[in-house]
Amino acid sequence: AQKITQTQPGMFVQEKEAVTLDCTYDTSDQSYGLFWYKQPSSGEMIFLIYQGSYDEQNATEGRYSLNFQKARKSANLVISASQLGDSAMYFCAMRGVYLVFGAGTILRVKS
Amino acid sequence: KAGVTQTPRYLIKTRGQQVTLSCSPISGHRSVSWYQQTPGQGLQFLFEYFSETQRNKGNFPGRFSGRQFSNSRSEMNVSTLELGDSALYLCASSEQGADTIYFGEGSWLTVV
Repeated sequence: AQKITQTQPGMFVQEKEAVTLDCTYDTSDQSYGLFWYKQPSSGEMIFLIYQGSYDEQNATEGRYSLNFQKARKSANLVISASQLGDSAMYFCAMRGVYLVFGAGTILRVKS
Repeated sequence: KAGVTQTPRYLIKTRGQQVTLSCSPISGHRSVSWYQQTPGQGLQFLFEYFSETQRNKGNFPGRFSGRQFSNSRSEMNVSTLELGDSALYLCASSEQGADTIYFGEGSWLTVV
């Protein structure tokens, strides 16, 4: 069975600073995909970034980058230059037959 | 390109009633999946449809059902509503084998 663990229930970051949200995973599959989503209070799940298990380069999308360490089974999200609008819940997820989500991390950006 | 559209956004139902939620995927996407999100259980997979066929189903009772139409639009139905069915129901769409899965804004269901 696949499992996603997000150990940080909540995080604070100062505006314009970088922040890392932790995600570890467990799977016996050789091929898998890892996702990060942002969920503001409105409820919409916004796709941020994807990393395939065979991708050698860490994925990047604008201010978002995924620090993928396959041997350690971790897929941490790094947000650079935090903005007030980044305040939201962030979910790490893994795709097997379907998406398995972690419990999420609430990020609060302080001005 | 329009995103994933879910209707209605908010609804309140009474215990014992039934509810139907609708999801229109991104144009060209044939895979549609549904998830339930609650504070206690987090995000849980309900079912996935591809080309009008249910491909996978999560661990939910038979009161939860769904279908997909030829235009890839999908509906999910919950019969005999219980208080515990109060949740955010999220629909996601993707192209087959694609690396990205997009979600809609969700339907907030409150059962009273």
